[in-house]
Amino acid sequence: RKEVEQDPGPFNVPEGATVAFNCTYSNSASQSFFWYRQDCRKEPKLLMSVYSSGNEDGRFTAQLNRASQYISLLIRDSKLSDSATYLCVVREQSGTYKYIFGTGTRLKVLA
Amino acid sequence: GAGVSQSPRYKVAKRGQDVALRCDPISGHVSLFWYQQALGQGPEFLTYFQNEAQLDKSGLPSDRFFAERPEGSVSTLKIQRTQQEDSAVYLCASSFRGRTDNEQFFGPGTRLTVL
Repeated sequence: RKEVEQDPGPFNVPEGATVAFNCTYSNSASQSFFWYRQDCRKEPKLLMSVYSSGNEDGRFTAQLNRASQYISLLIRDSKLSDSATYLCVVREQSGTYKYIFGTGTRLKVLA
Repeated sequence: GAGVSQSPRYKVAKRGQDVALRCDPISGHVSLFWYQQALGQGPEFLTYFQNEAQLDKSGLPSDRFFAERPEGSVSTLKIQRTQQEDSAVYLCASSFRGRTDNEQFFGPGTRLTVL
């Protein structure tokens, strides 16, 4: 089983739709959680950190469920510019510097 | 200011050749990471530096891979006797503090193709 698993997609959604991605992680000692965005042939960029209480940034909402060991990303009112690959990232445990990336979920927003 | 830069952007090597990939982090950033990203996959952790100290090299796939950051700024990832399976994009990232969980800023990557 992979340490961090994501549905690779692609998710094809119309503009204005709401779309949600999940990511599961295997290590219950995992400490920190993030979503990064990667455009085709570009470098990853931080989208948002994920906090235990859940957090929102504009149209984006991230949730963490420690009991079930998954994190989610919800995108509301999707825009063409949201088309990208969304990478789930987990730092495994306290004192480690190792960040584990998922394979990524590809989103395509259609006009 | 300038972001993370990497050179070369593209490298083609014959199998068995040695290569050196350079990373210039954002000035003042303490932490530096190297990742390997194969086509269709997420980045895979290779190694981590805090200033000049290599604190984690658990992700280096074999002893053919070596990384250094002698003055706590520029870093070089060296791959000896390259193999076809080394073909990937090598990403460097830096972050401000030694504490974990600061945002990582990635460079554009070096695309290595081993023939």
